[in-house]
Amino acid sequence: NAGVTQTPKFQVLKTGQSMTLQCAQDMNHNSMYWYRQDPGMGLRLIYYSASEGTTDKGEVPNGYNVSRLNKREFSLRLESAAPSQTSVYFCASSERGKGNQPQHFGDGTRLSIL
Amino acid sequence: GEDVEQSLFLSVREGDSSVINCTYTDSSSTYLYWYKQEPGAGLQLLTYIFSNMDMKQDQRLTVLLNKKDKHLSLRIADTQTGDSAIYFCAESITSGTYKYIFGTGTRLKVLA
Repeated sequence: NAGVTQTPKFQVLKTGQSMTLQCAQDMNHNSMYWYRQDPGMGLRLIYYSASEGTTDKGEVPNGYNVSRLNKREFSLRLESAAPSQTSVYFCASSERGKGNQPQHFGDGTRLSIL
Repeated sequence: GEDVEQSLFLSVREGDSSVINCTYTDSSSTYLYWYKQEPGAGLQLLTYIFSNMDMKQDQRLTVLLNKKDKHLSLRIADTQTGDSAIYFCAESITSGTYKYIFGTGTRLKVLA
């Protein structure tokens, strides 16, 4: 009954450090997404993967890279962390890459960049 | 462009009804969703409505859609302290490829 699992739950980094956020889903969903949530700004899409083997930029991709490792896993990498990347990061998945399927979310990774 | 707007805060007394409003701009929306986010957690899907429907009821939740005015509302009957959370409205758009647009969220505070 796991759904979407994100690791780690919390992380503190120094400016310039690199880090990979992990996400895995066990619902056999085709599509996966990475969002960031900042106060007063709702959710902003960083990258998404409509299906295994494809990835596309979202609204705010700069400073991030992603890897769709297999159907289950979609990771987000910060190559050189900056304070502006302090945020809560959510991974989500949906059954198909179409808008008539709701997204299912993980519990988030709270990331602070000092 | 595409945009989803919500008021930031709502405060109600326990037992009263809550109404959370949302407006959207894209007329090609297919589904509209309501999510609930409790502190420290992700977004949990509460309910959704297909864009050709006017109303959907699910226990204490009633969703109303006015497609002409592009207005969506979520009514919570007999609001409880456990309903205190942030509520997000979202729309899905199928124009070439799918896209989900989220509002900024409405923080609901239920007073005992």
